[in-house]
Order: sequence, then structure tokens, then C-alpha cells
Amino acid sequence: DVKVTQSSRYLVKRTGEKVFLECVQDMDHENMFWYRQDPGLGLRLIYFSYDVKMKEKGDIPEGYSVSREKKERFSLILESASTNQTSMYLCASRRDRTSNQPQHFGDGTRLSIL
Amino acid sequence: AQSVTQPDIHITVSEGASLELRCNYSYGATPYLFWYVQSPGQGLQLLLKYFSGDTLVQGIKGFEAEFKRSQSSFNLRKPSVHWSDAAEYFCAVGISGGSYIPTFGRGTSLIVHP
Repeated sequence: DVKVTQSSRYLVKRTGEKVFLECVQDMDHENMFWYRQDPGLGLRLIYFSYDVKMKEKGDIPEGYSVSREKKERFSLILESASTNQTSMYLCASRRDRTSNQPQHFGDGTRLSIL
Repeated sequence: AQSVTQPDIHITVSEGASLELRCNYSYGATPYLFWYVQSPGQGLQLLLKYFSGDTLVQGIKGFEAEFKRSQSSFNLRKPSVHWSDAAEYFCAVGISGGSYIPTFGRGTSLIVHP
């Protein structure tokens, strides 16, 4: 079974801090994704990566950046955290760039910015 | 661009009753279709997927879904709901080509009464 592990389930940070959310998958998947989930808005794609060293902007990249130095790890970075970035963050991986492959999700990180 | 609509934000059923969650999509060709479930505090788990072939698809936890091309629908069904089915359900559509990024519906929250 694919395992997608997000480093923290809950995180509390202060406005202006630089925040790192880490995600690791253990199935040698090429693709990885970061979403944020807010009530009534569903899942919104922040960034994704087709392979190591690659990154693409999703629908809401402003205020975020990502890093994929190794195939198994995809990090989301909040450059200067703001209260409107309080949310649930979900990481996902997918075997490769064929749309018939499902995504595998981590358990999420609930981030609060004070 | 493709889109997904889940018309029901909340659905309430009694334990033991049947369930149908609606999903409509907009896409010019045959899409790849997925249903995911998210239990409270968890990530998304794949319930079932449709790529081609038999339009009635069986999934995990006793769920099934039927692809109806003429109605652009992929509704999720279960004959008898259990209290543990209370969760958020997401329909997603994937397409061939382009960015290969799936589009998610906004989700339907299932409430189960004893």
C-alpha cells in the first residue's frame, strides 16, 4: 500500500514566520501535489510536481513555494505566514502523469497561524 | 476545461437506509472518474474509479457507482448505510492530455442518524 506521510498533524505558527510542511511518499511515485482544504471550498491545488526538481503552479500559489530535491519528498513553504493561510493542508502522490491513476493522500496538516 | 458538480452539500440518512450521492461532470470526451472518502481528521481515501468498460463499478466498503454518459453523471450508491460511513465524499474527474491534473468537486458531507 502507498504511504504518504505528512510530518505534522497539527501546527501552530505566528504571523510572519517561515513555515515548512513536509511530505514523504514511499512508493517511488513521480507526481506529488499540495492542496489546501477549506470548508465549502473543497480542495484547491497550490503546487504540484511531475518529477524531482520540477514544480508547477496550481490554482492558488500566491504566498507559497515548494521544493522537491528528492523524489520521495515534497515540501511546501509559507514564505511569510499570514492568518488567511490557516487551513488544512493535504499532500498527495500519484504514480505518474497518466490521468487514470488515482492520487494517494496523506492525513493532512491542520495549520493555524496566530 | 473540465468541471465537477456535487449538488448536495449535506445529505442526512438513517442507518440502514440506502444512499445515493450525486456527481455531474462537464467534459467533451470520456473522463476518468473517481470517488474519494474523507473521514474526520483524515486524508482522502479512494473508494472506486472508472476508466472504461462496464459502467457499474464496485468499490471498497460496499460502495458502487454508475457512469451514465448521457447524463454526464457518476453517482455513488450504497444499499445500506452504516454509522461509520459518516464522512465527506469527493468526486473527481481526470482527463487525458493537458496538465493531467484532476478536478475535484466541493464535496458532500454525509450525516448518518442512528
